[in-house]
Amino acid sequence: NAGVTQTPKFQVLKTGQSMTLQCAQDMNHNSMYWYRQDPGMGLRLIYYSASEGTTDKGEVPNGYNVSRLNKREFSLRLESAAPSQTSVYFCASSGQGAGEQYFGPGTRLTVT
Amino acid sequence: KNQVEQSPQSLIILEGKNCTLQCNYTVSPFSNLRWYKQDTGRGPVSLTIMTFSENTKSNGRYTATLDADTKQSSLHITASQLSDSASYICVVSASGNNRLAFGKGNQVVVIP
Repeated sequence: NAGVTQTPKFQVLKTGQSMTLQCAQDMNHNSMYWYRQDPGMGLRLIYYSASEGTTDKGEVPNGYNVSRLNKREFSLRLESAAPSQTSVYFCASSGQGAGEQYFGPGTRLTVT
Repeated sequence: KNQVEQSPQSLIILEGKNCTLQCNYTVSPFSNLRWYKQDTGRGPVSLTIMTFSENTKSNGRYTATLDADTKQSSLHITASQLSDSASYICVVSASGNNRLAFGKGNQVVVIP
C-alpha cells in the first residue's frame, strides 16, 4: 500500500516547455487534488477532482490543465511553463468530501 | 485576507521543552480543523482532526485544542524531540465543499 505517489520528484524546465506531473493513489479514494506550495505561503489549490470524470478549478488554476484518467490517477499539465510556476507541487487524495487528505511526497519544479 | 492565521511564524526550542502553536481562523460555516506536520522535503501528514463538538484531541505528545466560539486552536508539543523539527500547518474545512483553507505553517526547530 503505497498511498499517494508522484512522479517525477524533481524537474527543471525552460520557459515555454511543457510537461505533465503524474499522481496515483491506491486507497480507492474518490477525490484527488493538486496543490502548489511556495515559500512564505500556504498550500494553494490548483485543481481538484471530486470523483472520477469530474474536475474543477481551485484557487490558482491559470496556466494548468488536469486529467482524471481513472479513479487512481490524476495528472497536472503545464502547457507552456513560466518562471512563476517554479514551486513544489503536491497531489492529495481523500475518501469523501472534506475528509482527511493524504498527500504525496511532492514534485519540486524549477522553470528557468 | 488569509482565512487561517498561525503564530508564531517560527520558533526554536530546546529538546525536552514544551511549546504551543496558535491558529486563528475565520472560515465559516465551520466543519473541522486539522493539524498537519510537514517534514522538510516531504508532504504534510495529518496529526489530529477535530469537529465542532470536540475541545481537545491527542496524538502521542501532540495535543490539539479547539475553541469554536472564538475560532481558535492550539497545538501543544510535550517534551519535544529533535524529530519534532518541522512545519505545523493548521487546516480548516468549511461545511458544504471539498476545499480546505491552509495556514502558512509554524516552523519549529528543536535543538539539542
